[in-house]
Amino acid sequence: AQSVTQLGSHVSVSEGALVLLRCNYSSSVPPYLFWYVQYPNQGLQLLLKYTTGATLVKGINGFEAEFKKSETSFHLTKPSAHMSDAAEYFCAVSEAGRRALTFGSGTRLQVQP
Amino acid sequence: DSGVTQTPKHLITATGQRVTLRCSPRSGDLSVYWYQQSLDQGLQFLIQYYNGEERAKGNILERFSAQQFPDLHSELNLSSLELGDSALYFCASSPQGLNTEAFFGQGTRLTVV
Repeated sequence: AQSVTQLGSHVSVSEGALVLLRCNYSSSVPPYLFWYVQYPNQGLQLLLKYTTGATLVKGINGFEAEFKKSETSFHLTKPSAHMSDAAEYFCAVSEAGRRALTFGSGTRLQVQP
Repeated sequence: DSGVTQTPKHLITATGQRVTLRCSPRSGDLSVYWYQQSLDQGLQFLIQYYNGEERAKGNILERFSAQQFPDLHSELNLSSLELGDSALYFCASSPQGLNTEAFFGQGTRLTVV
């Protein structure tokens, strides 16, 4: 079975500070991992994904994530937060891409001026 | 714009009624997924269709059903509606049956009164 745990339902950072959103997954086969962002009253937009190959993946808006198999983690980072990054972020997993995405409970990111 | 179109954007209906939500996937995408997003349950996978056939089922109630038509658009039918069915319903599409990337629509917000 596949599952995702996102630690911290709310994260607050100052503008210009490092953003770190945590995601741990469970998968019985090699996982495909995703981060999506949801702005208020919007759908989900794909930030980045890991399927195979390089474990450090770069996405849109300056975000990146590193797949660490030994830690079953896929944490999302951005070196410098911007006010426009305020949104809800969802981590998702699919077992080898063969199953529909299972999402974590989401982390709401607040960016303080 | 993800290329996935959902109609209507908002729907208000009474308990016991039946509604139909519509989704047009991105051009060329064969897979359609339906998700329900609510405050207490988060993002829950309901059902997947691939090229007109049901591929996978998630936490879909028996009162709910879906289908995918030959032109690949999909409809989600919700019947005998209850207050607890109030939620945001998302449709997503991907090119094949594999979850290498899923593109989400803007969602239909259903309010049951």
